[in-house]
Amino acid sequence: AAGVIQSPRHLIKEKRETATLKCYPIPRHDTVYWYQQGPGQDPQFLISFYEKMQSDKGSIPDRFSAQQFSDYHSELNMSSLELGDSALYFCASSSGRGERPQHFGDGTRLSIL
Amino acid sequence: GESVGLHLPTLSVQEGDNSIINCAYSNSASDYFIWYKQESGKGPQFIIDIRSNMDKRQGQRVTVLLNKTVKHLSLQIAATQPGDSAVYFCAENTGFQKLVFGTGTRLLVSP
Repeated sequence: AAGVIQSPRHLIKEKRETATLKCYPIPRHDTVYWYQQGPGQDPQFLISFYEKMQSDKGSIPDRFSAQQFSDYHSELNMSSLELGDSALYFCASSSGRGERPQHFGDGTRLSIL
Repeated sequence: GESVGLHLPTLSVQEGDNSIINCAYSNSASDYFIWYKQESGKGPQFIIDIRSNMDKRQGQRVTVLLNKTVKHLSLQIAATQPGDSAVYFCAENTGFQKLVFGTGTRLLVSP
């Protein structure tokens, strides 16, 4: 079965640079979520979109923004990168909101030098 | 505030044993819970979910128990196999969107 696709899988940037992470949800899934996972930590919710509209916001820095496009894929834009932004970034998708399982991609590992 | 946590950070079992991973949650209004398995270098993989109107749900070799009275959740894995070795997270759905994850438990299965 098709899964959530994230690109790139690995990304190395320097401080103050920008980065764009992409997420392609499972076909026919209309809701996308972004999570950040630091080393040895649990995933932390950043932001979510339902039907191309932002629907919930978590601990996402103002330096980050995201959107969901007409084909339901989503992009997380990160600017003025800091060392502390080094983490795994996961995208998940679900069919609808509420009590629906979220299915995760294998993430983008972002390293800031 | 909202929090979901686990009692044991590491659980070591022998192949063939049954494993039990526990989780406590604090938001009594949460009505949907999910267990995920995360292997190294991969994203969280959905294992099983349960809604608050249930106290038990079974899948293939896995059972989730929900005790709303004490706000406790557990994942039971029958006949644990080496391939079950991973970090397991419980997650709490606190509304329409976000999941709140607990601290993971690393399950180590020895042959």
